[in-house]
Amino acid sequence: KNEVEQSPQNLTAQEGEFITINCSYSVGISALHWLQQHPGGGIVSLFMLSSGKKKHGRLIATINIQEKHSSLHITASHPRDSAVYICAVILSGSARQLTFGSGTQLTVLP
Amino acid sequence: GAVVSQHPSWVICKSGTSVKIECRSLDFQATTMFWYRQFPKQSLMLMATSNEGSKATYEQGVEKDKFLINHASLTLSTLTVTSAHPEDSSFYICSARGRDRVWNEQFFGPGTRLTVL
Repeated sequence: KNEVEQSPQNLTAQEGEFITINCSYSVGISALHWLQQHPGGGIVSLFMLSSGKKKHGRLIATINIQEKHSSLHITASHPRDSAVYICAVILSGSARQLTFGSGTQLTVLP
Repeated sequence: GAVVSQHPSWVICKSGTSVKIECRSLDFQATTMFWYRQFPKQSLMLMATSNEGSKATYEQGVEKDKFLINHASLTLSTLTVTSAHPEDSSFYICSARGRDRVWNEQFFGPGTRLTVL
């Protein structure tokens, strides 16, 4: 079993829909990242969380440390949001390296 | 925001040659840089962690003599793929973390696509 599990693996939505991507982890962590990888391969760090909730524009990320679960929400989705979204955690006691989920391929149709 | 660049963005080379990929932090000092490899439709795989001024720490299964990492300054790390073979064709990404940044935050480069013929 992977230490970081994401769901769904693939998600297709219509423009304007509210989108949720989930991430569960099975070990203790010190922080969790949500990353966005565009078709060209470049990676952008969207959020880094250790507790609570963060919001940036149409993106919202939440984390529940007790339940070992995080969600990434996209409101009013747009075709330009189409990308792979990756959850990555820093394991407690690690050398601050990232452990990655397998990613969620999001396609937003116009 | 913190910017990390990589050069080149893509490279095609013949089997047996060596390829050097540069990773630079443009507006901060990177005390630690990470090198990842990503095969199509797969997640990133950490290859090695390099701290400025010291030897890189390689992950299990990554040959240190094949993937030479140098982190000679606080703004530059290089990955050299020596005697490249077609199976080394992949997308290589670096990330950097600086001494002045939030403790756990990493910033990613745009990646380098290597194709070995």
